[in-house]
Amino acid sequence: DVKVTQSSRYLVKRTGEKVFLECVQDMDHENMFWYRQDPGLGLRLIYFSYDVKMKEKGDIPEGYSVSREKKERFSLILESASTNQTSMYLCASSLGNEQFFGPGTRLTVL
Amino acid sequence: GIQVEQSPPDLILQEGANSTLRCNFSDSVNNLQWFHQNPWGQLINLFYIPSGTKQNGRLSATTVATERYSLLYISSSQTTDSGVYFCAVAFTGNQFYFGTGTSLTVIP
Repeated sequence: DVKVTQSSRYLVKRTGEKVFLECVQDMDHENMFWYRQDPGLGLRLIYFSYDVKMKEKGDIPEGYSVSREKKERFSLILESASTNQTSMYLCASSLGNEQFFGPGTRLTVL
Repeated sequence: GIQVEQSPPDLILQEGANSTLRCNFSDSVNNLQWFHQNPWGQLINLFYIPSGTKQNGRLSATTVATERYSLLYISSSQTTDSGVYFCAVAFTGNQFYFGTGTSLTVIP
C-alpha cells in the first residue's frame, strides 16, 4: 500500500513565524503535490514537483515556497505565516495518473 | 476557464438508500479520480476512472469522457459512507483540479 505521511496533524503558529510542513512518501513516486483546503473552495494546488529539485507553481503559490531535496520528501514552507494561511494542508504523491493523499495538517495561525 | 462542478452540494440519506453523485468537467480529461474525505480529513481513493465503468462493492463509477461527466453510485448506503466526496480531473500533464465536493450525511 502507498503510504504518504505528514509531520503533524495539528499545528498552531503565530503571525510572522516561519513554518515548515513536511511530507514523506514511501513508494518511489515521481510527483508530489501540496494543496490547501478551505470551506466552500475545495482543494487548491499550491505547488507540485515532478522530480528532485524541480518545482512548479500551482494556482495559489503566493506566500509559499517548497523544497524537494530527496525524492521521498516534499516540504512546504511559509516564510512568514499570516492569519489567512490558516487552513488544512494536504500532501499527495503520484506515479503516473493516480494521486494518493496524506492525512493532512490543520494549521492555525494566530 | 477550467471548471469542475459537482452536484448536489449536499445530500442527506436514510441508511439503506441509494444515491448518485455527479461531476461535470469543462474539457477532455486525461485522468479522473473519485475520493471520499472522512470526518478526520483523510482523502481516500475510491476510483481512478478517466473513462468506462468500475465497481467496488457497493460503489460504482462511470465516466463518459465524450460528454464530459462522471457519476458515482452508492448503493445501500451506510452511516460510514458519510463525508465529502470529491471528483478530481487532470486535463493535461499532472495537475489535478478538484470540484467543491458533495457532502453526504447518512442517518440511521
